[in-house]
Amino acid sequence: DAKTTQPTSMDCAEGRAANLPCNHSTISGNEYVYWYRQIHSQGPQYIIHGLKNNETNEMASLIITEDRKSSTLILPHATLRDTAVYYCIVRLGHSGSARQLTFGSGTQLTVLP
Amino acid sequence: GAVVSQHPSRVICKSGTSVKIECRSLDFQATTMFWYRQFPKQSLMLMATSNEGSKATYEQGVEKDKFLINHASLTLSTLTVTSAHPEDSSFYICSATDLSSYNEQFFGPGTRLTVL
Repeated sequence: DAKTTQPTSMDCAEGRAANLPCNHSTISGNEYVYWYRQIHSQGPQYIIHGLKNNETNEMASLIITEDRKSSTLILPHATLRDTAVYYCIVRLGHSGSARQLTFGSGTQLTVLP
Repeated sequence: GAVVSQHPSRVICKSGTSVKIECRSLDFQATTMFWYRQFPKQSLMLMATSNEGSKATYEQGVEKDKFLINHASLTLSTLTVTSAHPEDSSFYICSATDLSSYNEQFFGPGTRLTVL
């Protein structure tokens, strides 16, 4: 699975959009970009994933660049409860068998009141 | 969404004892479950992959005789930390994948193990 690079930490004002970048320059054509987050002392929570098109769900939007070498997770209106470590993970998707997730160090997002 | 539970959520034990942690998929069948370990201020590290009805696959450096994994049904996997030592104190997290989708992993809430 391709390696990802994320900033160590970011701050965001409550109510504003939080934009979390991720670089994955070695991503291959059949690898998906996944985002999970982990609130302190809890298990990770799935947020969103995508292959090459931009994706949106009730939690967030995922913007993937045309060359797929980077992506941005957008939380449109951050709240204090969004304070967490956000992990960007690249992994094969429809591989026919379950594959583990390889977690990097992630980005600590702190939403400030 | 799919729900994964873990029991207990927190356990304190004496050095040398064994501790069993349960991971259950509550509303779906999971052919594969993963066990992760997370030390303070570090990321999750995969310990082993557990497939229903077969032996678990352990990551390099993880002792299979110390961390016993049993996945006897499609909704339950257990991790037993045998002869626990203080260095085994950690946050243990399981995840499960749905039979119908290999794209999402659903994580349990984690078990905080403290070995005195």
